[in-house]
Amino acid sequence: DIVLTQSPALAVSLGQRATISCKTNQNVDYYGNSYMHWYQQKPGQQPKLLIYLASNLASGIPARFSGRGSGTDFTLTIDPVEADDTATYYCQQSRNLPWTFGGGTKLELK
Amino acid sequence: EVQLQESGPGLVKPSQSLSLTCSVTGYSITSNYWGWIRKFPGNKMEWMGYISYSGSTSYNPSLKSRISITRDTSKNQFFLQLNSVTTEDTATYYCARFTDTVAFDYWGQGVMVTVSS
Repeated sequence: DIVLTQSPALAVSLGQRATISCKTNQNVDYYGNSYMHWYQQKPGQQPKLLIYLASNLASGIPARFSGRGSGTDFTLTIDPVEADDTATYYCQQSRNLPWTFGGGTKLELK
Repeated sequence: EVQLQESGPGLVKPSQSLSLTCSVTGYSITSNYWGWIRKFPGNKMEWMGYISYSGSTSYNPSLKSRISITRDTSKNQFFLQLNSVTTEDTATYYCARFTDTVAFDYWGQGVMVTVSS
């Protein structure tokens, strides 16, 4: 299985930039696409898709969110961070079955 | 608008079967793909399996032969059955839709299932 590694937590100040990383133990690129996706989950809510295929903004997601990366290293950036962004962020790969998720990064405000 | 809603018992006894229903509105399950994902206490998330628009299925090998996903197209519902549950199957269970990118773009609210005697 492909293992996705995320830092458990990140603290940033309002208005600053948050960069959340996700590293995989196998390449998730295939025919020009990186099969990496990002989700936001707030307590008591379902996950929400933010970014698909590493860098594509999902429908209705503000442009403050962006994703980049390829191969085995990916990042989700939130700039600027707003109070409503406090949540846990997960990466997920769909390059190989079984599809797997990272352990999540909890974003907190300083 | 695509909406998904899970339903089923919140408490299951060890060794019994867990059965959940995902009811979909606003979109036909005869298009795209429909999956089950669970989130354990402590935040680990696990993809369990999916059923496709044609009715074909794929399962996480970690669940071996315990899992089955079926559907009723007339009711626009799909189902999860997980057999021989243990306390380690205690989790919040989500149903979700995905497309060819295999990004889960629509999710249900989730249903918390506790396995306990």
